[in-house]
Amino acid sequence: DVKVTQSSRYLVKRTGEKVFLECVQDMDHENMFWYRQDPGLGLRLIYFSYDVKMKEKGDIPEGYSVSREKKERFSLILESASTNQTSMYLCASRGGINTGELFFGEGSRLTVL
Amino acid sequence: RKEVEQDPGPFNVPEGATVAFNCTYSNSASQSFFWYRQDCRKEPKLLMSVYSSGNEDGRFTAQLNRASQYISLLIRDSKLSDSATYLCVVTLNTGGFKTIFGAGTRLFVKA
Repeated sequence: DVKVTQSSRYLVKRTGEKVFLECVQDMDHENMFWYRQDPGLGLRLIYFSYDVKMKEKGDIPEGYSVSREKKERFSLILESASTNQTSMYLCASRGGINTGELFFGEGSRLTVL
Repeated sequence: RKEVEQDPGPFNVPEGATVAFNCTYSNSASQSFFWYRQDCRKEPKLLMSVYSSGNEDGRFTAQLNRASQYISLLIRDSKLSDSATYLCVVTLNTGGFKTIFGAGTRLFVKA
């Protein structure tokens, strides 16, 4: 089975702090994604990566950056957390078929005070 | 306009009912289509892919109309365990195969 692991299920941070959300997948998938999910808005794409060191902006990249130094790991970085970044963050990966199924991690619930 | 739009619901139906969800997409570069299911406080999981010819998986039937840019999901003989949020998903064939989710339709099946 595909396993996508997000490092933290719950985080509480203060405004202005730097936040790292880590995601690791164990199936040698090329594509990895970061979404945030908010009530009434659904999943919104922040960034995605289709190869090591490659990244593409999604629909809401402002205030976020990403890093993909190794194929299995895709990190989301909030350089200076703000209260409007309080959300559920979901990482996903997809294999070689670019239009195939996404496999999600369990999510990271971030609260910024 | 959102790229993928769904009726947010909620849909409240009795067990055994047939329920239909609709979804429209706006980007003509959309190549692949899916329905995902998300249970409360859980991550989304693939329910089924959607093909132009229509496809069925047990009580679930998905349809795609490329001309109208419209996707549907039909659930027959609803079970209590079908209660969840159903997400319409589209993958584009441009820009690194970006995958876009609708906001989801919430379904409650009552005994």
